Amino acid sequence: DSGVTQTPKHLITATGQRVTLRCSPRSGDLSVYWYQQSLDQGLQFLIQYYNGEERAKGNILERFSAQQFPDLHSELNLSSLELGDSALYFCASSYRVPYNEQFFGPGTRLTVL
Amino acid sequence: GNSVTQMEGPVTLSEEAFLTINCTYTATGYPSLFWYVQYPGEGLQLLLKATKADDKGSNKGFEATYRKETTSFHLEKGSVQVSDSAVYFCALSDRQGAQKLVFGQGTRLTINP
Repeated sequence: DSGVTQTPKHLITATGQRVTLRCSPRSGDLSVYWYQQSLDQGLQFLIQYYNGEERAKGNILERFSAQQFPDLHSELNLSSLELGDSALYFCASSYRVPYNEQFFGPGTRLTVL
Repeated sequence: GNSVTQMEGPVTLSEEAFLTINCTYTATGYPSLFWYVQYPGEGLQLLLKATKADDKGSNKGFEATYRKETTSFHLEKGSVQVSDSAVYFCALSDRQGAQKLVFGQGTRLTINP
């Protein structure tokens, strides 16, 4: 158990819908990362937050957004869903020390029908 | 940009065989290097890491050495077990900035008894 929790574990929805994925980092970790794992793209970095502020963006679509709240949990919002958004979405957290070590949650499997 | 290339899988071995999974990287500067493992239905777990040239990371019988001259971080284990069956990901992160992880495509390993 990494100490990072993600909910829900599974999510099935229809095209055009909007969903919210939730992540709670390890106690004391200030940084949250979101990654997408799909069969065709592999594991890709989406976005990072540090202590409530956005720090870096990767290959995140404009239909996707995220935020980190004062209690440090984070939410990833996916809207106007398409079939191709079906993937595993992982959250990871780290305490900002040199030589970053990230701890991953169990992931949310999103299926868009 | 930074990138990681892993040997293609799947890899199938017999129990007690020697394992090597090749990993090479392209990066500016001196990244930190990681091996993550993903067991079926689970999130990613950090297996080992190395933060500077010639460092050797080791854990659970697995080893990898940070080779700056060959830009490689090959994973090895002397005697694999059925329980090592999983997908293995090589990854790097910059030491500065967002320190997001850049992953290789993953190598699926199956160990037969």
